[in-house]
Amino acid sequence: QVQLHESGPGLVKPSGTLSLTCAVSGGSISSSNWWSWVRQPPGKGLEWIGEIYLRGTTNYNPSLKSRVTISLDKSKNQFSLNLSSVTAADTAVYYCVKVGGNWGFDPWGQGTLVTVSS
Amino acid sequence: QSVLTQPPSVSAAPGQKVTISCSGGSSNIGKNFVSWYQQLPGTAPKLLIYDTSKRPSGIPDRFSGSKSDTSATLGITGLQTGDEADYYCGTWDNSLSAVVFGGGTKVTVL
Repeated sequence: QVQLHESGPGLVKPSGTLSLTCAVSGGSISSSNWWSWVRQPPGKGLEWIGEIYLRGTTNYNPSLKSRVTISLDKSKNQFSLNLSSVTAADTAVYYCVKVGGNWGFDPWGQGTLVTVSS
Repeated sequence: QSVLTQPPSVSAAPGQKVTISCSGGSSNIGKNFVSWYQQLPGTAPKLLIYDTSKRPSGIPDRFSGSKSDTSATLGITGLQTGDEADYYCGTWDNSLSAVVFGGGTKVTVL
């Protein structure tokens, strides 16, 4: 059973870049064609950030597209998220997820809280 | 404002049934499969329903999903205290070329 684990700084300064990595364990990252990032601001709902295909194709949320980069490293069995020019509005719990057919997300990582503050 | 609209909260007594609606449009629910997620307090969301009406292994048949035109519905029968959680619907939106979620519905067991 594949498990996902997010890691990265819990605090990022305004105008800086948020960088997170999702480690895939219990299986190969090649077990799924698509991998994704979702975030959840404190006390609010879910927001899809974007996804990456095994061969490198990406799709991003139009509202974040200019600031987001998702990449994948098969050799390390992991994929990553970079979000630039962050503001307090980017403070959220960030989840990495495996994308099943028809965009069913399963499983989810445990999530990591990233706070944007000086 | 979420692209998909869910009621903020629903409630019922133990053993009863609740339904959660998820209203969208022709570019999302009208053309694509719907997923539902359960988020227990302080935990990550968990896939409850995929492909509109299918349950992953381990999900009891008390949970069901359906769709009609541009709206989807999650049903929970035999309500238990452990079902108290936030529930989210999600699907692909062809116009936005993005995954969209509902705002979430809090289920309270009275």
